[in-house]
Amino acid sequence: GAGVSQSPSNKVTEKGKDVELRCDPISGHTALYWYRQSLGQGLEFLIYFQGNSAPDKSGLPSDRFSAERTGGSVSTLTIQRTQQEDSAVYLCASSQRTNTYTYNEQFFGPGTRLTVL
Amino acid sequence: GENVEQHPSTLSVQEGDSAVIKCTYSDSASNYFPWYKQELGKRPQLIIDIRSNVGEKKDQRIAVTLNKTAKHFSLHITETQPEDSAVYFCAASRVGGGSTLGRLYFGRGTQLTVWP
Repeated sequence: GAGVSQSPSNKVTEKGKDVELRCDPISGHTALYWYRQSLGQGLEFLIYFQGNSAPDKSGLPSDRFSAERTGGSVSTLTIQRTQQEDSAVYLCASSQRTNTYTYNEQFFGPGTRLTVL
Repeated sequence: GENVEQHPSTLSVQEGDSAVIKCTYSDSASNYFPWYKQELGKRPQLIIDIRSNVGEKKDQRIAVTLNKTAKHFSLHITETQPEDSAVYFCAASRVGGGSTLGRLYFGRGTQLTVWP
């Protein structure tokens, strides 16, 4: 079946502009994660949605970052007033939790490469 | 929260040699430890995982060991091949209650290079 998809694959924007990044998780997956990966760096956790629970926003670096997940499926990560340090690859992942004791693999999307000029 | 440390940050080995990557974690409640491989320009993919009720798990040339007492776990790759060259990430997670259920805490990654 289809994997996690993200759009756009590349985004170039000017400093100060707002951007929206989209993630389509695998159908039926209840958990959705956003990560940021700067060049040559690790995976920086941003936000985590699990079903109808309140999202874990503890990784968002500033109030310029926000994310929504509509209808428990598609998610949008919004970065307002972009800065050059926001340049990175933004990865989305989803997983399926069927019960409390299920250890669920995270399936990653291809990422969106954001460049802020 | 959980803190995962990963070492080394870079590792170079000759083809055929073994490679070992080590991680430590801080939260004794963590009970699931996956390893992800990310090839250049590609997305991370799960290669092996281990649960806290198991001390070792093998899958062909790769194995993972877990020491709960010391709170560390390791990835072992034997008979390395050039196609094993990639960045490897360890992670820890706590399953069972709480809002952090399912969240993976990643290490910073290890760039493995296998020379032919």
